[in-house]
Amino acid sequence: QSALTQPASVSGSPGQSITISCTGTSRDVGSYNYVSWYQQHPGKAPKLMISDVSNRPSGVSNRFSGSKSGNTASLTISGLQAEDEADYYCSSYTSNTTPWVFGGGTKLTVL
Amino acid sequence: QVQLVQSGAEVKKPGASVKVSCKASGYTFSVYYIHWVRQAPGQGLEWMGWIYPSSGDTKYAETFRGRVTMTRDTSISTAYVELNRLRSEDTAVYYCARNVVPDLAAAGLDFWGQGALVTVSS
Repeated sequence: QSALTQPASVSGSPGQSITISCTGTSRDVGSYNYVSWYQQHPGKAPKLMISDVSNRPSGVSNRFSGSKSGNTASLTISGLQAEDEADYYCSSYTSNTTPWVFGGGTKLTVL
Repeated sequence: QVQLVQSGAEVKKPGASVKVSCKASGYTFSVYYIHWVRQAPGQGLEWMGWIYPSSGDTKYAETFRGRVTMTRDTSISTAYVELNRLRSEDTAVYYCARNVVPDLAAAGLDFWGQGALVTVSS
């Protein structure tokens, strides 16, 4: 069982916006701004989309944005495109004995 | 340009050990933490641990403690992960990845290796 909880799947039509949640606890998401998001296409290595809750690395589309409220972080993708269809994972630093954890992943389907 | 190039696929028998390498180029290897992450077939990402190449300091996930060792050779900008007492559940793609900020353990992983498939089967 993952320490961070994500919905198993989300879907949206091209042009729409979707939000993927990542729920943790006061020992991880709630206490640290070290939340990051990754996109993974089948058979490929993950790609960093957001770091430090809301920082978008160079080269990542500004359609991707991150935020946090309390123990829940969120990834929003606006103007959905077919190429956004992929698995998305959140991760966070944590004060537990295992200091870094991933969410279980969310499969995004573009209808 | 930053690159992490991993060693190739391995097939091991249960109880054996495996060592995967990750050769870095295009940046100052010693100041960026290297993380190891694995992904079993059809499953999610699982964090295994990190190593700070400058000092060799490591931190492992509780799940792997006692079975995993992470090392580095700064002379050739290469990090290694060794997993012992392999079992079938260890069959996975093993990735190395670099932390996005130097001298900080965990802010996000910006460059990833191509992955190395380790198959554990009798």
